[in-house]
Order: sequence, then structure tokens, then C-alpha cells
Amino acid sequence: EVQLVESGGGLVNPGGSLRLSCTVSGLTFSDAWMSWVRQAPGKGLEWVGRVKRKTDGGTTNYAAPVKGRFTISRDDSENTLYLQMNSLRTEDTAVYYCAKELRFHVAYWGQGTLVTVSS
Amino acid sequence: QSALTQPASVSGSPGQSITISCTGTSSDVGGYNYVSWYQQYPGKAPKLMIYEVSNRPSGVSNRFSGSKSGNTASLTISGLQAEDEADYYCNSYSSTNALERVFGGGTKVTVL
Repeated sequence: EVQLVESGGGLVNPGGSLRLSCTVSGLTFSDAWMSWVRQAPGKGLEWVGRVKRKTDGGTTNYAAPVKGRFTISRDDSENTLYLQMNSLRTEDTAVYYCAKELRFHVAYWGQGTLVTVSS
Repeated sequence: QSALTQPASVSGSPGQSITISCTGTSSDVGGYNYVSWYQQYPGKAPKLMIYEVSNRPSGVSNRFSGSKSGNTASLTISGLQAEDEADYYCNSYSSTNALERVFGGGTKVTVL
């Protein structure tokens, strides 16, 4: 059974930092393109960013609202995906989902972790 | 990135069929057969219902079907059931942004 389990969410002040983790099991993590998708309260889904597998260059891409502030990384030895979020803003408040992509769609989703940016 | 356009809400009675549209451009929906659809219940993670326009993952009811015409993709739910009441999001490959992906704004399906 494929499982994606996020952790690290919580309350943070504007301008602060937070690191989210996503531990993956039930699939070959090193072969996976992995993404983060977020959903602000009462709003729709929004892509945050992606990291390709190392054999495809391991490159990262980000959505415009987070580029330069967020960094996605992966540890294939630990089957773990990370999202480092810096210079957080109130508009970054959302549930953050870890997602496993397969040929341009999301095949598996984590349960999500809530990040609240507020003073 | 610009969102794909979905109706905010669609409703139907049990047993009826409903269709949710997802309109984009030739740079996303119209140009590629990489449209997917997701079902989301309140407080839950999304679930893949359709991928590559019309393919159903294992375990998804055959009451759900997908199609595309020009720049508009559609999700049809036939034999509507109470359990189908949820939010539905479309997603497409896009050649106009670095992430190469774009979501629709979401559609609330209500079973009357």
C-alpha cells in the first residue's frame, strides 16, 4: 500500500520559516517525481513546486508566488521529501499536500498538514 | 499561473447525469491529452478519478467518465448518488508555466 505522510505543519509568525517533511512508503521513491500542492482555507488547489527524480536531473520548479522563498529537496536514502518555507506570508496559510506524480497527473496524495501564518 | 475555468457549482437529482466542464486554451487542455480530474470531500485529500482525459484508475466507479473537445474537457457523472456530493478539480499539462501544470478553480457538486 502506498502511503505519503506529511509532518511539520503548525503556527508561524509572518516572516518566519518552517520545514515540512513527507515520508513515502510502498513505492520506489527514487523513481518518483514528487510535488507539493497547497489549499488555502475555503479555496482551490494550487501547485507549489516539484522535484524530478535524479535520473531526470533532479531539477526543481516552483510556482510564481513561492519562487525564491520555498525550496523543495529530497533524500532518496530516507524516502523523504522536504519543503523549506522561508519569509512566510499570511497568504501562505494553507493545507500542504505531498503528491506523487505519474505522467502529468497526481497518482497519490498525502493527508495534508496545516500551515498557519499569523501573528 | 492562470487557473482553468470550471463552473462554481453543478447540481442534480439522484440517478441523473451531470457534466462538469473545464475550459482552458490551446496551451493546456486543447493542446495535450493530459487532463486529470480529482474528487475531494471536505477536510480530506483529493482522489484521482480520471487521468489522460478519459482513463479511470482501478477502483473508480465506471459512473465517472471523461472527454475533451477543443479547449474544453468534461467530467460526466452518471447515475448520480449521494456519495458523489463533493468538490471536483480538473488539472492539465500547461506549456506556459515552469511547473507545466495548472488546476481548475473547482466545482461543488450537490445531490438534490
